Amino acid sequence: QLQLQESGPGLVKPSETLSLTCSVSGGSIISSTTTEYWAWIRQPPGKGLEYVGAIFYTGITYYSPSFESRLTISVDTSKNQFSLKLGFVTAADTAVYYCAKNRLGDFDYWGQGTLVTVSS
Amino acid sequence: QSALTQPPSASGTPGQSVTISCTGTSSDIGGYHYVSWYQQHPGKAPKLMIYEVTKRPSGVPDRFSGAKSGNTASLTVSGLQAEDEADYYCSSYAGSVNFYVFGTGTKVTVL
Repeated sequence: QLQLQESGPGLVKPSETLSLTCSVSGGSIISSTTTEYWAWIRQPPGKGLEYVGAIFYTGITYYSPSFESRLTISVDTSKNQFSLKLGFVTAADTAVYYCAKNRLGDFDYWGQGTLVTVSS
Repeated sequence: QSALTQPPSASGTPGQSVTISCTGTSSDIGGYHYVSWYQQHPGKAPKLMIYEVTKRPSGVPDRFSGAKSGNTASLTVSGLQAEDEADYYCSSYAGSVNFYVFGTGTKVTVL
């Protein structure tokens, strides 16, 4: 059974960079198909879900236009992990951040999520 | 890219059916056969309930069904059970610029 687990600091100061890692177990991050990606989705407290971006195991990235200017998603196949870096954060970036396996059209496996608070 | 529009709430008694709508545009729901639905209990991660408009992942009860007409998708939960009380989100593929858009979410209450 595929499992995903987010890790990283729970508190980030305004204007700094939010960094999270997603560790994948029970399966390889190296896809056997061309329609399997690894995504980040966030959910501000009490609000809805928001797509942040995704990466293919080869390193090809897909960024939501809402984050593109300050977002970097990377992959480390040797560690079966992928990571998110979001720069110049503000209080509006406070959210639960989920990593998920992204098939073409849906997100079929999710991590438990990690709350990141942006505050000085 | 704006969020897909869902009603804030829906409710029904045990055994009844409830249908949740999800309205988008021709750039998302109307343009692709990639609508999915997620169930989220408080404090938990979302769970995929429906994909590609009508398909159910293994383990999801057949009480859950999906449909689409034009720019609007819907999720029907038949034979409501207490454990169906949760937030539900729709999502649609939105092309090679915006990629994915989620709905505003619907809280389903089992009375």
